[in-house]
Order: sequence, then structure tokens, then C-alpha cells
Amino acid sequence: RKEVEQDPGPFNVPEGATVAFNCTYSNSASQSFFWYRQDCRKEPKLLMSVYSSGNEDGRFTAQLNRASQYISLLIRDSKLSDSATYLCVVNKYGSARQLTFGSGTQLTVLP
Amino acid sequence: GAGVSQSPRYKVTKRGQDVALRCDPISGHVSLYWYRQALGQGPEFLTYFNYEAQQDKSGLPNDRFSAERPEGSISTLTIQRTEQRDSAMYRCASRDGTSGGNEQFFGPGTRLTVL
Repeated sequence: RKEVEQDPGPFNVPEGATVAFNCTYSNSASQSFFWYRQDCRKEPKLLMSVYSSGNEDGRFTAQLNRASQYISLLIRDSKLSDSATYLCVVNKYGSARQLTFGSGTQLTVLP
Repeated sequence: GAGVSQSPRYKVTKRGQDVALRCDPISGHVSLYWYRQALGQGPEFLTYFNYEAQQDKSGLPNDRFSAERPEGSISTLTIQRTEQRDSAMYRCASRDGTSGGNEQFFGPGTRLTVL
């Protein structure tokens, strides 16, 4: 079983739609959680950190459920520019150590 | 300012040859990480450094892979006696590590193809 599991998609949604991505992680001792975005043929970039209380950044909302070892990302009012692969990321040992990535969920927002 | 740079961007080599991949982190960043990314997968950790010290090399697949960061800045990932299964995108990332700067910034990667 992979340490971080995501639905690979693809998710094809119309502009303006709300879309949610889910992720589960296996190591209950994991400390930090993130969503990264990766555009086609580009490097991954940090989208947002995920905090226990949940957090929002504009149209993006991230949630963490430590008991269920579950992370989610909600995108409201999807834009064409949101089309990308979204990577669920877990840091097991603290901020200085390596990141463990899921395989990513591919999103295409259609006009 | 300049981001993380990697060279070469593309490397095609024959099976059995050695290759050296270079990473130039963001200036002043303490930590440097190497990852490998297969098509359709997320990056997979290989090794990381704080300054010049290699802190964790548990992700290196076997002893053909090695990395160094002798002066705490530029790093080289070396693969000896390359095999076809080594073909992948090799990504470097750096992290400030001071003043609470924890984000890892990734470079554009080196696409390695072993024929």
C-alpha cells in the first residue's frame, strides 16, 4: 500500500464548478500536510499547507482529519487556469525532512 | 530572484555509462533535496543535505546512486553504470531552513533517458 493515496482522476469539470479531491495517508505519525500543484511538464509548486483546523486561500479550501488520516482539497468556481495535477503531500518527520507525494489527481477545467 | 536550476535539462545516455546531474539551489538555502519522478507519479525522495552534510540517503535505490554537496551549495547526483530502469525525471528542491522558511522549491528537473 502506498503511503499517500489519491484518486488519479482525471476530473473533467466545466468552468465555475466546484470540485473536491481526497487523499489518505498511512503513517499516523505524519506531521505536516500540503497540496502541491504541478502543471504539465513543469515542476511541482506549493499550493497550500493544510492545517488541523482547516484553512482557506481564496477559492481553495483544505481540510485535515487526523483521526481518519484523510486530507481534502476543495476548489470553488473553477477556472481554466486551475487545470493541472494536484499532489497530496505528507511530511513524516518534520519540516526539515523529505516530502512524501501521492501520485496526483489530474484536473481539467473545460470552457 | 533566481530559482532552483538544474543541468542538463535533458540527458540521453547509453546503458552502462555514468551520468552526473547538477543542481544549483536558491542562494542561501540550507537544505537541498533530490527526488525522482516517473511519468504519472509524484516525486519520490532520494536524498537530502543540510549545508554540506548528507542527512538522509535512504531513498537512493542502490549503490550506483550517490550525491554530494561539498561546499554546501551546488549538488551533484551521480548514477554509475546506468540501466534503462534509471530513466526518469530527476528533480532537485531547496529549502531556506532559516526564519521559518519551510517551503521546498523545485527546479525544472533533468530528464534522463537511458537507451
